[in-house]
Amino acid sequence: EADIYQTPRYLVIGTGKKITLECSQTMGHDKMYWYQQDPGMELHLIHYSYGVNSTEKGDLSSESTVSRIRTEHFPLTLESARPSHTSQYLCASSEFGDRGLNEQFFGPGTRLTVL
Amino acid sequence: SQQGEEDPQALSIQEGENATMNCSYKTSINNLQWYRQNSGRGLVHLILIRSNEREKHSGRLRVTLDTSKKSSSLLITASRAADTASYFCATVSMFSGGYNKLIFGAGTRLAVHP
Repeated sequence: EADIYQTPRYLVIGTGKKITLECSQTMGHDKMYWYQQDPGMELHLIHYSYGVNSTEKGDLSSESTVSRIRTEHFPLTLESARPSHTSQYLCASSEFGDRGLNEQFFGPGTRLTVL
Repeated sequence: SQQGEEDPQALSIQEGENATMNCSYKTSINNLQWYRQNSGRGLVHLILIRSNEREKHSGRLRVTLDTSKKSSSLLITASRAADTASYFCATVSMFSGGYNKLIFGAGTRLAVHP
């Protein structure tokens, strides 16, 4: 089982609140990713990182921001949550190995509900 | 969908039967991966097939890849109730650079009844 953790698992908050979703991995992976997934739907990449101090926007535009100050930690922040942000957020990591060949390891996800 | 079509969208079978799921994609790929997701959980990697491979096996799983048709199939033999989950294919484009960006399909929801 992959050692990648996400907290909280569930979060219900009111509109306008600032939130941070935590993601940590103990595998020493350089690459980390955030995906957004609505129920029964595909995953959309919203952020990724090659390593410390590297962050990039993904395919799906998101109002969230990320930081990568430490290899093992890749938190996602929403400055002002809105009901449209209600979704499941999945964090993943992979090795910086042969191009394109490495599997991604996923955390259990955070299910966010904004009222 | 970013990727293409996965079919069927949902599949319901009895224990012991085989389950086949199909995935089509749009761009040239480096490799294709299949993942499993239990309800409300993260994804678990099942198998990876490279663009120069045609078939791969892992336990009760068999994956085929037809790059001329831009399609793949996942076969689960002798299914069990514990196989109930959503199954996603994901491709790595040949043009994605060095960070193996995965493009996911919409998934097939498999239900295996005892």
